[in-house]
Amino acid sequence: GENVEQHPSTLSVQEGDSAVIKCTYSDSASNYFPWYKQELGKRPQLIIDIRSNVGEKKDQRIAVTLNKTAKHFSLHITETQPEDSAVYFCAANDYNQGGKLIFGQGTELSVKP
Amino acid sequence: SAVISQKPSRDICQRGTSLTIQCQVDSQVTMMFWYRQQPGQSLTLIATANQGSEATYESGFVIDKFPISRPNLTFSTLTVSNLSPEDSSIYLCSAYRGSGNTEAFFGQGTRLTVV
Repeated sequence: GENVEQHPSTLSVQEGDSAVIKCTYSDSASNYFPWYKQELGKRPQLIIDIRSNVGEKKDQRIAVTLNKTAKHFSLHITETQPEDSAVYFCAANDYNQGGKLIFGQGTELSVKP
Repeated sequence: SAVISQKPSRDICQRGTSLTIQCQVDSQVTMMFWYRQQPGQSLTLIATANQGSEATYESGFVIDKFPISRPNLTFSTLTVSNLSPEDSSIYLCSAYRGSGNTEAFFGQGTRLTVV
């Protein structure tokens, strides 16, 4: 089955700096890669996703890149703000096989003012 | 977007008892899933809740411990049986509309403490 590895487990940046979180996946059939943000005590919320037919996607300060050959994808947050502080999870699935999401271990991002 | 209501939001249960968690979606969805999130950890998939048939369990999870029902397209329950302190965790339901390459929504979670 699919296995998703996520690094780093914790990341601390100064406000205004960029943050990068990296994930690798094992199943070459996976074709959908969402990123979720989870604030303390809250449910995970989708912040951006990418499908396997696209190499990069941007949404304001957030971007995701996908390298299918290497089976890795990354989240990039620019001009970080204190409200970006949260735990971020990457995930992968093969939506042709039921769409179940397998999550990475999570990255706790701390943005220092 | 879909709205998922999950209840109870938290409970404290005695060991050896069971807790049933309910998940209600505001519109018909294709897929529903149950996850466990232990404190400070990631989300681990327990099972896929199949409408009108037995759930599909992930490795390490069994029906006797985590019976799941999904009688229709908008409702599912997860029961955590024969509780032990190791079952203390947050349980989340999740749902998709359409195929699995669209946003998966999550319920607010149920925080279970076993004493």
